[in-house]
Amino acid sequence: DAKTTQPPSMDCAEGRAANLPCNHSTISGNEYVYWYRQIHSQGPQYIIHGLKNNETNEMASLIITEDRKSSTLILPHATLRDTAVYYCIVRGNAGGTSYGKLTFGQGTILTVHP
Amino acid sequence: GAVVSQHPSRVICKSGTSVKIECRSLDFQATTMFWYRQFPKQSLMLMATSNEGSKATYEQGVEKDKFLINHASLTLSTLTVTSAHPEDSSFYICSARDVGAAGNTIYFGEGSWLTVV
Repeated sequence: DAKTTQPPSMDCAEGRAANLPCNHSTISGNEYVYWYRQIHSQGPQYIIHGLKNNETNEMASLIITEDRKSSTLILPHATLRDTAVYYCIVRGNAGGTSYGKLTFGQGTILTVHP
Repeated sequence: GAVVSQHPSRVICKSGTSVKIECRSLDFQATTMFWYRQFPKQSLMLMATSNEGSKATYEQGVEKDKFLINHASLTLSTLTVTSAHPEDSSFYICSARDVGAAGNTIYFGEGSWLTVV
């Protein structure tokens, strides 16, 4: 799976949009971009994923650049409960029993403050 | 949405004893589950891949005789830490692949805190 690079930490004011960047310059054509977050002392929570097109769900929006070498996760109206470590992960969608192994980097610690 | 549940959420055991952690997929079948370990202020580290009906595949450096994995059904995988020692104290997390979900989404359990005293 392609390697990703994220800033180690970011701050955001409550109610404002949080934009979390991720670089994945070595991504290959069949690899998806996944975002998870981990709130302290909990298991990672799936947020969103995409291949080429921008995606939006009830939690967030994912913007993927046209060359797919980077992406941005957007939390439109951050709340204090969004404070967490956010992981950007790139992985293929092929079959096989090893499919589903996720390699976690250090992620971005997002702190939402009042 | 898909839910993966772990039990127990917290366990304290004495050094030298064994402890079992369960991972269940509640509303989907999972032929493959994954076990991770996370030490404080560190990222998740994959320990092993649990395959229903066959032996688990362990990552390099993970002792298969110490971390026994059983995946006896399509909704349950168990991790048994044998002869636990204080250095095994950690946050253990499982995940499962929902092949029915778009993009084969991976879902994680809530995690299990193990403290060995």
